[in-house]
Amino acid sequence: DTEVTQTPKHLVMGMTNKKSLKCEQHMGHRAMYWYKQKAKKPPELMFVYSYEKLSINESVPSRFSPECPNSSLLNLHLHALQPEDSALYLCASSLGPAGVGGELFFGEGSRLTVL
Amino acid sequence: GQNIDQPTEMTATEGAIVQINCTYQTSGFNGLFWYQQHAGEAPTFLSYNVLDGLEEKGRFSSFLSRSKGYSYLLLKELQMKDSASYLCAVMGDSWGKFQFGAGTQVVVTP
Repeated sequence: DTEVTQTPKHLVMGMTNKKSLKCEQHMGHRAMYWYKQKAKKPPELMFVYSYEKLSINESVPSRFSPECPNSSLLNLHLHALQPEDSALYLCASSLGPAGVGGELFFGEGSRLTVL
Repeated sequence: GQNIDQPTEMTATEGAIVQINCTYQTSGFNGLFWYQQHAGEAPTFLSYNVLDGLEEKGRFSSFLSRSKGYSYLLLKELQMKDSASYLCAVMGDSWGKFQFGAGTQVVVTP
């Protein structure tokens, strides 16, 4: 299994809603990432979890709250978002600091629209 | 500061060769990665360089010169399906912190 699975694929939410994005991988990877990507722009790093601990937070607003319940799962909890948060949210995983290489395996993404 | 530069767009004919250059200035260096991204899809990994030299993988090759802060991705025998954005990404001195270039849109014409 070389897949990173993200759900939902599409999400529309109002500015007062609370929703969550979910990500799962079963490749034994120990690092998981959230990226945000706007149209025709490169992915922007949001959070990195290494061995289930948050290791990087790129000064992301608190309305985005990551959670890593175990080594296979990564969630992104969304609350009180703004229309400018509308984007493709990509989850990725990699072997982790002890692994050679470190290339990212990306999920298909969750396309979020905030009304 | 950290900076990764690559051309915005390149056009080439089916069957030809295209070279996409990437220059970088980062705090530390722990590897350079190339990804392909088709419109509306997630990026997929193409190649990885951490030592100077050429890495070859089928029709795709990638080169790195750390002293020059320079890499290129070479796409040979271009096919229509190679039309995509190609992203150069560098891992600097913070493990896991990849910085992506803006991407090079390659257009393959018949």
